[in-house]
Amino acid sequence: DQQVKQNSPSLSVQEGRISILNCDYTNSMFDYFLWYKKYPAEGPTFLISISSIKDKNEDGRFTVFLNKSAKHLSLHIVPSQPGDSAVYFCAASELNTGNQFYFGTGTSLTVIP
Amino acid sequence: DTAVSQTPKYLVTQMGNDKSIKCEQNLGHDTMYWYKQDSKKFLKIMFSYNNKELIINETVPNRFSPKSPDKAHLNLHINSLELGDSAVYFCASSQDGNQPQHFGDGTRLSIL
Repeated sequence: DQQVKQNSPSLSVQEGRISILNCDYTNSMFDYFLWYKKYPAEGPTFLISISSIKDKNEDGRFTVFLNKSAKHLSLHIVPSQPGDSAVYFCAASELNTGNQFYFGTGTSLTVIP
Repeated sequence: DTAVSQTPKYLVTQMGNDKSIKCEQNLGHDTMYWYKQDSKKFLKIMFSYNNKELIINETVPNRFSPKSPDKAHLNLHINSLELGDSAVYFCASSQDGNQPQHFGDGTRLSIL
């Protein structure tokens, strides 16, 4: 049973515009969320995280929003750049219960120059 | 310097064979993991080791056996390979179970 879902397999955005990637989860005990970026033939690279005590975390062009009541998080990239074209995975875990992270199936972002 | 390196990058072999994938991290991390990414791109944890001790052992056939000779290495041995084992296997490490993970570039295993 998939506890973390990314329902959009792909997204295309013009350069300079905002990219919004979405992620939903089912386990209300999750309290730590991460986004990873993955280029072809490489492993995922950590991008940004958020804990459940916050509803927003920002790092440069990347902002993650968390809506606990809706069990939903989103990653905003603004402005989008061609180098942002990659697959983005969200992941979730329950802190301090072990080393178990649950991943979504990824959203492939294409930023069109 | 590669932080998490796994070898080989590609592995093509026959059904029924036994193969190993090696993983090494030079980050000084205490926790290492093996993940399997299947054809649906679903990244699922298989094993987690903390300081050479098994922490997580998900529902994985016992044909898969992880071995951690020291905390910088976590190798994956697979016996009697089956067609369904075809996937990309990722090794990862983190300082502890609550920190973001650093991933290797994956090993693409293809069973003929």
